[in-house]
Amino acid sequence: DADVTQTPRNRITKTGKRIMLECSQTKGHDRMYWYRQDPGLGLRLIYYSFDVKDINKGEISDGYSVSRQAQAKFSLSLESAIPNQTALYFCATSESGGTGYTFGSGTRLTVV
Amino acid sequence: LAKTTQPISMDSYEGQEVNITCSHNNIATNDYITWYQQFPSQGPRFIIQGYKTKVTNEVASLFIPADRKSSTLSLPRVSLSDTAVYYCLVPYDYKLSFGAGTTVTVRA
Repeated sequence: DADVTQTPRNRITKTGKRIMLECSQTKGHDRMYWYRQDPGLGLRLIYYSFDVKDINKGEISDGYSVSRQAQAKFSLSLESAIPNQTALYFCATSESGGTGYTFGSGTRLTVV
Repeated sequence: LAKTTQPISMDSYEGQEVNITCSHNNIATNDYITWYQQFPSQGPRFIIQGYKTKVTNEVASLFIPADRKSSTLSLPRVSLSDTAVYYCLVPYDYKLSFGAGTTVTVRA
C-alpha cells in the first residue's frame, strides 16, 4: 500500500458542484499539505496542517476548504467548483522537522 | 523565508553529467536544501538533501558552497529515464510553492 493515498485518482465534475478530495497516510507524520499543479507550472500550496487542531492557509486558499479529521486524514473541499480549478491536486506529508515531503499520486480534477 | 531561483529548462544527452544550480540568497541559518524529482502525472519524489559542502547518494550529488547562497544538483551519466522536472526547495519555507522547477530533457 502507498504511504500517502489520494482518492479519487480522477474526477470530472460540473461547475457549481461541491467536491471533496481525500488523503490518508500511513507515515505517521504530523504535517499534511494540499498542493495544486497546473500544466507547465510548479506546485502551489493551498492549505497545510501541522497537527489535527492546526489548519493554515497557503498561497491560493480562496475557493477551497480543508478538514483534518485525524492525524492520518486530510481532506480538501471545493464548495462550488469552477472551471479554473481544473488541475492536478497533490497531498503531501512531512515529519515535524519538515525536512522531507512524501507525496501522493495525485487527483486529476476536471470541472466542466 | 528563503526563495529559490533555478533555470527553467536544460537539455542533455544520455551518458552526460547534468548540473542544475539553484540560487537561495536569503536562506536562513538552520535551513537545509532539498531537491525533488517529478515525472509527468506523478507526485514529486525526494532525491537528496544537504546543509553544507557535499552530499552524495545513489541517485545524485549535491554541492553547497560555504556561503550557502546557492546549491548545485549533479546527476551523473543521465539516461532517458532521468527526464523529469527537478525542484530546489528550502524546507520550512512551507508558505511558498515549489516553483516551476527545472525541466531536464535527456535525448538519445
